[in-house]
Amino acid sequence: GAGVSQSPSNKVTEKGKDVELRCDPISGHTALYWYRQSLGQGLEFLIYFQGNSAPDKSGLPSDRFSAERTGGSVSTLTIQRTQQEDSAVYLCASSRWGGRDNEQFFGPGTRLTVL
Amino acid sequence: TQLLEQSPQFLSIQEGENLTVYCNSSSVFSSLQWYRQEPGEGPVLLVTVVTGGEVKKLKRLTFQFGDARKDSSLHITAAQPGDTGLYLCAGGLTSGSRLTFGEGTQLTVNP
Repeated sequence: GAGVSQSPSNKVTEKGKDVELRCDPISGHTALYWYRQSLGQGLEFLIYFQGNSAPDKSGLPSDRFSAERTGGSVSTLTIQRTQQEDSAVYLCASSRWGGRDNEQFFGPGTRLTVL
Repeated sequence: TQLLEQSPQFLSIQEGENLTVYCNSSSVFSSLQWYRQEPGEGPVLLVTVVTGGEVKKLKRLTFQFGDARKDSSLHITAAQPGDTGLYLCAGGLTSGSRLTFGEGTQLTVNP
């Protein structure tokens, strides 16, 4: 059972190619978040899904980035026409909706390397 | 401008020493969390504080939330090499909102 899972764990791609990163949240968690982390740095918010509400896309760095969440569960983050500056660890987290605590549980991340 | 300022950014100490990490903001948070992250893994939640002035202890770790809910500290007593890692604070401005993360404190405890 589980925790948040992500796949692939590592992805190496060539500049200009598209990539898809997958996140399986904890069962029953209605909120799902994507973050990006550069080496040894804090987390940069990308996008947030909550139930059936419109996602908060305010953190997406460009229109090359998009994400969807099907059936309120699995999410896919897509990066089109990848650039070298997209290289980072992409982390997914999920949480229960409601309450003050906002506790998020993270997956192990996908390390993306764009050559 | 970083909403949550963490300090120090890097900390290298000897086993047995004490240390404090700070997380400061001009914003009031509904809740604040501390995470620890090891290389190749996602952050792991250590504690959540929600009440101004709240103090929580987790073995040798003591977490405090400021009275005004704008800042927090993490104090480690008698640090051990196993405490080595990236410590991240994160705040939620409102209930259920996304978290804003500090830039992290990289702690190295040398045997």
